[in-house]
Amino acid sequence: EDQVTQSPEALRLQEGESSSLNCSYTVSGLRGLFWYRQDPGKGPEFLFTLYSAGEEKEKERLKATLTKKESFLHITAPKPEDSATYLCAVPAYGGATNKLIFGTGTLLAVQP
Amino acid sequence: NAGVTQTPKFRVLKTGQSMTLLCAQDMNHEYMYWYRQDPGMGLRLIHYSVGEGTTAKGEVPDGYNVSRLKKQNFLLGLESAAPSQTSVYFCASSYRRGTYEQYFGPGTRLTVT
Repeated sequence: EDQVTQSPEALRLQEGESSSLNCSYTVSGLRGLFWYRQDPGKGPEFLFTLYSAGEEKEKERLKATLTKKESFLHITAPKPEDSATYLCAVPAYGGATNKLIFGTGTLLAVQP
Repeated sequence: NAGVTQTPKFRVLKTGQSMTLLCAQDMNHEYMYWYRQDPGMGLRLIHYSVGEGTTAKGEVPDGYNVSRLKKQNFLLGLESAAPSQTSVYFCASSYRRGTYEQYFGPGTRLTVT
């Protein structure tokens, strides 16, 4: 069964303290892994798509990497404005519907 | 472009009442989705549509109905609201088959008392 697991559930960092979020997945035939950011009271906002092991994408203080079993979202020198819930997702097997399977997210709090 | 919009933003219903949530997108996307998001359970797919005039059940469809009469609109209906349907509802869309990036609306917070 296709599955996405994120860890930790919550992470509290001091401003400037780098860390990583994990997204592990089990899926038949990966057709991409997606990272989203969700601010309180808002809808998820698309960040990155990764398609193959070894691929990396960067945006400001965020860098996403992908292996055959998991993805990491590295946050370098985070600022309070990086505080949000970060979600990852993979397409469900049988891609005609474009359905995504989402993890439950990591709630990141960056304190000044 | 407004992207994906949802109305209303907030709603309070009494048990047994009905309502319709409206989702609109101006990106010419073929696929549209309705999710609910509950604490600790993540995003769960209610119904989806792969094109105008088509709808299909997702993971948690019971108690909901949908319609896609126009390509840009996707409606979610609750015929007889129950407290278990208290949640935040998100609409999303994606361009076409094989392009999996989904773009989300701002959400509707529904409380059923």
